[in-house]
Amino acid sequence: QVQLQQSGPELVKPGASVRISCKASGYTFTSYYIHWVKQRPGQGLEWIGWIYPGNVNTKYNEKFKGKATLTADKSSSTAYMQLSSLTSEDSAVYFCARDYYGSSLMDYWGQGTSVTVSS
Amino acid sequence: DIQMTQSSSYLSVSLGGRVTITCKASDHINNWLAWYQQKPGNAPRLLISGATSLETGVPSRFSGSGSGKDYTLSITSLQTEDVATYYCQQYWSTPPTFGAGTKLELK
Repeated sequence: QVQLQQSGPELVKPGASVRISCKASGYTFTSYYIHWVKQRPGQGLEWIGWIYPGNVNTKYNEKFKGKATLTADKSSSTAYMQLSSLTSEDSAVYFCARDYYGSSLMDYWGQGTSVTVSS
Repeated sequence: DIQMTQSSSYLSVSLGGRVTITCKASDHINNWLAWYQQKPGNAPRLLISGATSLETGVPSRFSGSGSGKDYTLSITSLQTEDVATYYCQQYWSTPPTFGAGTKLELK
């Protein structure tokens, strides 16, 4: 069965960076886009960007350019998102999700990774 | 960016009743509209794509309708497990954008 298994919660200091992982299984990793979505506590969903592991092309929401960097490792079927220069505004749960057509219709989601930025 | 507006942040609902959740796009999105269900502590779950197509495994009491800018998610005969927050999402243009969510609460 399709699974996207994300890494565990992170507590990081302001100004630092963090890398979150999303390990895919149950499907061909290189044939699907991986999206990343941010959800702040008690708030809605915000799209960060996608990566296509087949050719490692990426597309970002303008708002997250310079903040998020998306990468993928085909050998381990794992997608990564690095967040840099963290502030309290980056404290959120981050989800990865897959998409077959690159249409941004996300059919399977990871369980989410909580990032808390605090000194 | 296309803005998605869900007019109700909360809806007070009764078990066995019918629920209608509305979503309005700031521009035409040609039925490229998805509905997701999210329960506390969980990831969103895709319920409906293409405004009306039910995903595999989603109960038939869920349905979607609409066109142009205006879309609706309906739930008939509400069950306990349907109490959740529902989000609409347009995927007609980049960036894909979500509504702010409609949270169902039992009366």
